[in-house]
Amino acid sequence: DAGVIQSPRHEVTEMGQEVTLRCKPISGHDYLFWYRQTMMRGLELLIYFNNNVPIDDSGMPEDRFSAKMPNASFSTLKIQPSEPRDSAVYFCASSSRMTSGGSTDTQYFGPGTRLTVL
Amino acid sequence: QKEVEQNSGPLSVPEGAIASLNCTYSDRGSQSFFWYRQYSGKSPELIMFIYSNGDKEDGRFTAQLNKASQYVSLLIRDSQPSDSATYLCAVPSGTYKYIFGTGTRLKVLA
Repeated sequence: DAGVIQSPRHEVTEMGQEVTLRCKPISGHDYLFWYRQTMMRGLELLIYFNNNVPIDDSGMPEDRFSAKMPNASFSTLKIQPSEPRDSAVYFCASSSRMTSGGSTDTQYFGPGTRLTVL
Repeated sequence: QKEVEQNSGPLSVPEGAIASLNCTYSDRGSQSFFWYRQYSGKSPELIMFIYSNGDKEDGRFTAQLNKASQYVSLLIRDSQPSDSATYLCAVPSGTYKYIFGTGTRLKVLA
């Protein structure tokens, strides 16, 4: 399996521009997570989906952020308009299922997208 | 109090020594815990999970869980320079999601 695929790997944009990050989860995984990682705040959960349905978006920082999962093999995270404070590494992760514990809760992370907003 | 706390480090240990990494959590109802390793510029990868009090061993790695004291530890025996990375503790929060600590950076000195 190719693992979780993310694109682009690096994105440099100017403040005010729209940014779209893409993710392809591992085939057969029902859960998809979007995280943001910064030095100051660590790894923060933004939103997660189960069977393509958004379950918890309480981590989405503000209305400028939106995420979609139109089918089981594709998800996007969009920032519009982007701001310098959005600069971070954005990870997508997937999991086969989630319970209250156990190895099946393992999340497999993609390589991440390093976003720089000037 | 943060939900998951880790000392940011760096924790420096000589090659061959035991590295001890700690994580405390605030939710007494938490049932399972994960340790991820993240090399610089790479994505997190799972090392171990534990859900029972006590120790769980996997090769050179031992996870220790103490629910009464609300901490989970990761011991790395015979530390190698290749173990140099940031180690993230993940604790469940609500249903089907995990909160990650900010991580402890480990440096194993050759």
